Amino acid sequence: DTEVTQTPKHLVMGMTNKKSLKCEQHMGHRAMYWYKQKAKKPPELMFVYSYEKLSINESVPSRFSPECPNSSLLNLHLHALQPEDSALYLCASSQEWGLVKNIQYFGAGTRLSVL
Amino acid sequence: GQQVMQIPQYQHVQEGEDFTTYCNSSTTLSNIQWYKQRPGGHPVFLIQLVKSGEVKKQKRLTFQFGEAKKNSSLHITATQTTDVGTYFCAGLRHSGAGSYQLTFGKGTKLSVIP
Repeated sequence: DTEVTQTPKHLVMGMTNKKSLKCEQHMGHRAMYWYKQKAKKPPELMFVYSYEKLSINESVPSRFSPECPNSSLLNLHLHALQPEDSALYLCASSQEWGLVKNIQYFGAGTRLSVL
Repeated sequence: GQQVMQIPQYQHVQEGEDFTTYCNSSTTLSNIQWYKQRPGGHPVFLIQLVKSGEVKKQKRLTFQFGEAKKNSSLHITATQTTDVGTYFCAGLRHSGAGSYQLTFGKGTKLSVIP
């Protein structure tokens, strides 16, 4: 199983809503990532979890709150988002967060629209 | 911070023509990865290059890592319509104290005219 599963596929939310994005992998990977991708742009790294601990927070606003309940699951909690946060949110996993075993396996993404 | 420049931004080729995209880093990289993202899809891993001067081939695709580990290229021979998509390089480097920095290039969008 080389799949990273993300739910939901699409999400429309208002600026006052609270929602969560979910990501799951069963490849035994110990690193998981959240990326944001705007149209015609590269993926932009937001957070890195390594062995269920937050290793990287790329100065992401606090309205995005990541959570890693266990080694297979990664959540992204959303609160009070802005319309400019509309984007494709990609989850990825890799064997490890390091110099070699970091090949990224991406999920299909959640397409988020903030109204 | 680390920058990874990728050119060209767009490339339109006739089917059967060759295609090359280039990545250049402002700092020495530990490794570089290449990904392909089809329209409406998600990035899919193609290859990882680790050694200085490394060359790897996958059928019609040839990947190179420069001697100084600062630049890389992806060359496709005799493009097909199935090659359409955006190709991203991603450079990884050690940024000190057990930390790493992974930076994606802006991508090259390849269109193939049948």
